Amino acid sequence: AQTVTQSQPEMSVQEAETVTLSCTYDTSESDYYLFWYKQPPSRQMILVIRQEAYKQQNATENRFSVNFQKAAKSFSLKISDSQLGDAAMYFCAYRSAYYNQGGKLIFGQGTELSVKP
Amino acid sequence: EPEVTQTPSHQVTQMGQEVILRCVPISNHLYFYWYRQILGQKVEFLVSFYNNEISEKSEIFDDQFSVERPDGSNFTLKIRSTKLEDSAMYFCASRRDTTQETQYFGPGTRLLVL
Repeated sequence: AQTVTQSQPEMSVQEAETVTLSCTYDTSESDYYLFWYKQPPSRQMILVIRQEAYKQQNATENRFSVNFQKAAKSFSLKISDSQLGDAAMYFCAYRSAYYNQGGKLIFGQGTELSVKP
Repeated sequence: EPEVTQTPSHQVTQMGQEVILRCVPISNHLYFYWYRQILGQKVEFLVSFYNNEISEKSEIFDDQFSVERPDGSNFTLKIRSTKLEDSAMYFCASRRDTTQETQYFGPGTRLLVL
């Protein structure tokens, strides 16, 4: 079974600085997708960024980028120029690319990010 | 921009009562999901639904849970006899088709069982 681990329960960053959130996963599959979701205090789950395992190029989305290391099974999220609105819980998630799996997301435990003004 | 909606936003019920949580997925989406998040814990998969049947369910999704797509737009989660440990945030999510990998989440229903 696949697992996702986020080893940093809490992180803090100064406004305008850069922060990196860590995520590791375990799988025997070769084809899958990885996601970062943001959950602000409203508890809505908002997609931040997504990475396909077959792509070597790291995904970027404005101030958000990932460092995807397939061999190491590592998928970290870098937030540049941090803003107060980035403060939230961040979840890393895994999804198998094999459709008989139903498409479920497997989540990590989350990292609570605070942004200091 | 289309979005997933869920009602109610909050629900308080007595232990042993039945509750129905409602979701309206994005209209052209074909895959539907329910997840739950107990306060302070990670989000857990409950069930996935495609082509009017369950495609996968977790160990949490036991006989007290059921899902239904009664009218082509709503997607419901029923908990037949609620327990204290069912208190959680319940999220509905939908995905368009096999060409789109992203699941879009609704705002959640906060269920409190007393």
